[in-house]
Amino acid sequence: DAGITQSPRYKITETGRQVTLMCHQTWSHSYMFWYRQDLGHGLRLIYYSAAADITDKGEVPDGYVVSRSKTENFPLTLESATRSQTSVYFCASSGTSRDPAFFGQGTRLTVV
Amino acid sequence: GQQVMQIPQYQHVQEGEDFTTYCNSSTTLSNIQWYKQRPGGHPVFLIQLVKSGEVKKQKRLTFQFGEAKKNSSLHITATQTTDVGTYFCAALNYGGSQGNLIFGKGTKLSVKP
Repeated sequence: DAGITQSPRYKITETGRQVTLMCHQTWSHSYMFWYRQDLGHGLRLIYYSAAADITDKGEVPDGYVVSRSKTENFPLTLESATRSQTSVYFCASSGTSRDPAFFGQGTRLTVV
Repeated sequence: GQQVMQIPQYQHVQEGEDFTTYCNSSTTLSNIQWYKQRPGGHPVFLIQLVKSGEVKKQKRLTFQFGEAKKNSSLHITATQTTDVGTYFCAALNYGGSQGNLIFGKGTKLSVKP
């Protein structure tokens, strides 16, 4: 799935620091999503976007900020990282809300 | 908001045995999607079911959507070591201003050669 890329793949940051995870897709998909994956919790939706300049909260939005100024990019910012935000973060995109979602390779974030 | 419950959480099988994972919802689903995530990898779309009672097959994998569109199952016949991974179901959730995809917690399959 080279059409959706996440960066960085691995990140270690300190508590209290701001960190931004990047997501870029080349399919011009309308929908983009951010999920976090933790043992025992599966994939939990953080934020999603139906189009540029339209974003909405998911299940676990607290502590995160997103923006979507361009259709192809959907960055996720942790404004003040906490240890509980240590996780694997997946970005995904789909053409419509009913279409299959295509996932990026993931970003493993560790907050120390 | 809408939830999809997936069971079992873990399944250990001997190679050659069959495997089934179930996905249940308390509300009627418009569709259900299935994904597979290999260890260390990312979720990959397998299939989508839309119609009541729908059955689809992909080689040794059989996917079913219940008549009431509240449950679904994935059955693997004669498992192989390449089937190892976590299988997720996902359903469209109309919570919020737009639709989004809600995932079950997944079933982690391990296969002993």
